[in-house]
Amino acid sequence: SAVISQKPSRDICQRGTSLTIQCQVDSQVTMMFWYRQQPGQSLTLIATANQGSEATYESGFVIDKFPISRPNLTFSTLTVSNMSPEDSSIYLCSVNLGGEQYFGPGTRLTVT
Amino acid sequence: DAKTTQPPSMDCAEGRAANLPCNHSTISGNEYVYWYRQIHSQGPQYIIHGLKNNETNEMASLIITEDRKSSTLILPHATLRDTAVYYCIVFRANQAGTALIFGKGTTLSVSS
Repeated sequence: SAVISQKPSRDICQRGTSLTIQCQVDSQVTMMFWYRQQPGQSLTLIATANQGSEATYESGFVIDKFPISRPNLTFSTLTVSNMSPEDSSIYLCSVNLGGEQYFGPGTRLTVT
Repeated sequence: DAKTTQPPSMDCAEGRAANLPCNHSTISGNEYVYWYRQIHSQGPQYIIHGLKNNETNEMASLIITEDRKSSTLILPHATLRDTAVYYCIVFRANQAGTALIFGKGTTLSVSS
């Protein structure tokens, strides 16, 4: 199994600013995934982050808005840049380990 | 990955069995059926998965039809803590770099 922690757990930010979300896993994993969950909606995959290479973004998400770092096999960050109220969501990181996908507790972001 | 169809909501009385259906008529031979749930404000939690045989664990049972075009998740004795959104996902397990793609799920409400 994998235990995933995220920081911060929640934040309230002003529009136009940026927030970096950290994700730490207690196991070494090749791929880490970032999801967004807008209020009342299901989870949407933002990108897949492979250690040592550039992240792969899903349709509708771009690197300039959501830059991702993956410096080692247990850690990743997602930055939400130039935030607007539409970015208010829960952001979750996730890993696939042993055929099962595990999720962090999420970071609840509110943009005012 | 193949898409799934689930009812948007279901109700269940506490102590009764909750039977959550899922249609996945375009599932491929190497795709598994996975079930996750998301309790309010938490990250998704793995429940169970299967390929073609019925499966049971400490949380639930998974019944997959012989043609694999549909399945049912069974919570044998639902409790109030089982109130959550339940996601049925078809997924090629062990495919490196592949993330779960979530549909809208079924909101299960368990009442006393």
